[in-house]
Amino acid sequence: SQTIHQWPATLVQPVGSPLSLECTVEGTSNPNLYWYRQAAGRGLQLLFYSVGIGQISSEVPQNLSASRPQDRQFILSSKKLLLSDSGFYLCAWRSGQVDGYTFGSGTRLTVV
Amino acid sequence: GNSVTQMEGPVTLSEEAFLTINCTYTATGYPSLFWYVQYPGEGLQLLLKATKADDKGSNKGFEATYRKETTSFHLEKGSVQVSDSAVYFCALKLQGAQKLVFGQGTRLTINP
Repeated sequence: SQTIHQWPATLVQPVGSPLSLECTVEGTSNPNLYWYRQAAGRGLQLLFYSVGIGQISSEVPQNLSASRPQDRQFILSSKKLLLSDSGFYLCAWRSGQVDGYTFGSGTRLTVV
Repeated sequence: GNSVTQMEGPVTLSEEAFLTINCTYTATGYPSLFWYVQYPGEGLQLLLKATKADDKGSNKGFEATYRKETTSFHLEKGSVQVSDSAVYFCALKLQGAQKLVFGQGTRLTINP
């Protein structure tokens, strides 16, 4: 069966520090991968998606970047965090043939 | 553009009450529609979905019917339980598109 792992679950980082959040998927190959962010009191916003290794599409301009170094690994990064980067970050995957997305358990990032 | 509008929350009900959470959408094509649920401290889980007009999605006692004429996908449950307390997200996805478009979420609290 397919599983998605996201870590860490909780992170507190100072303003100006770097960020690296990792997401891996098991039990499938060539998944479409996504990073969403949920800011406090708001809905989910798609940040990045990837349809293959090294292929990254950005939905909104921001202080973050994403990379896909391996087929089932998706990394969200920042060189210097801002207070506004605080939020709940969710990784998701989807098989190209189906509509449904499977989400990870999320990382709650607080920038202080 | 494509968008999803959900009933404003928070919604507070007593156990065994009837639940309706309204969801309407605007889309340039014929989307698939979804309800996701987020339990406290967790990621999103797919609750139910419908892929074409008049389809009814159902799961765990929850139901929603894809109404093309009213562009709606309201979530209903006949008798809620305390364990249904969560945030509920309505979402759409256009065929061939990568992105899930989410509503802002509705926080539901069920009191015993």
